[in-house]
Amino acid sequence: EAGVVQSPRYKIIEKKQPVAFWCNPISGHNTLYWYRQNLGQGPELLIRYENEEAVDDSQLPKDRFSAERLKGVDSTLKIQPAELGDSAVYLCASSTRTGVGSNYGYTFGSGTRLTVV
Amino acid sequence: GEDVEQSLFLSVREGDSSVINCTYTDSSSTYLYWYKQEPGAGLQLLTYIFSNMDMKQDQRLTVLLNKKDKHLSLRIADTQTGDSAIYFCAEMTGSARQLTFGSGTQLTVLP
Repeated sequence: EAGVVQSPRYKIIEKKQPVAFWCNPISGHNTLYWYRQNLGQGPELLIRYENEEAVDDSQLPKDRFSAERLKGVDSTLKIQPAELGDSAVYLCASSTRTGVGSNYGYTFGSGTRLTVV
Repeated sequence: GEDVEQSLFLSVREGDSSVINCTYTDSSSTYLYWYKQEPGAGLQLLTYIFSNMDMKQDQRLTVLLNKKDKHLSLRIADTQTGDSAIYFCAEMTGSARQLTFGSGTQLTVLP
């Protein structure tokens, strides 16, 4: 099994430019999450999808960030325009909705390290 | 609100045991996790414990959960230099299955 796949692995852009990150979750996982990890901190949730519906986007800075999960499988997270403070690692994770006692199969991808210069 | 706290640094000698501590505030946590992150790498799930358990052992790792005090610990027996990394404690609460992470503990293993 491939696990949660993210691309690109690294991205360096100039401020005010747009950037997009892609995530392919584990097959059969209905729930998809985007987290942001700032340097020296733990990851923080940006948005959670149940299938194609964004059910929790309260932490997503909506003035510049957007996300979509068409067809309830792959997801894209976009920043436009990027700011210096957006430099971080963006992590995608997926899980099932059921499976008490089995950790719901919660799995993280390797992340995209974004540097805004 | 939810809050997970960890001490920032821990140094141990190779071969000694390491104990990393974590406190959390949400009593409705369902699962509690320990993740390992090496420099430039992603999050590696080490182990997790369901909230109705007190202890879980997995090879060199022992997780202890004190629900009354909302305290979680990770003990690494016979710590090796390859165990040097940042260790994150995280809690999962409610039906949202959102993980709330601590800021991480930097474990340094000295030869």
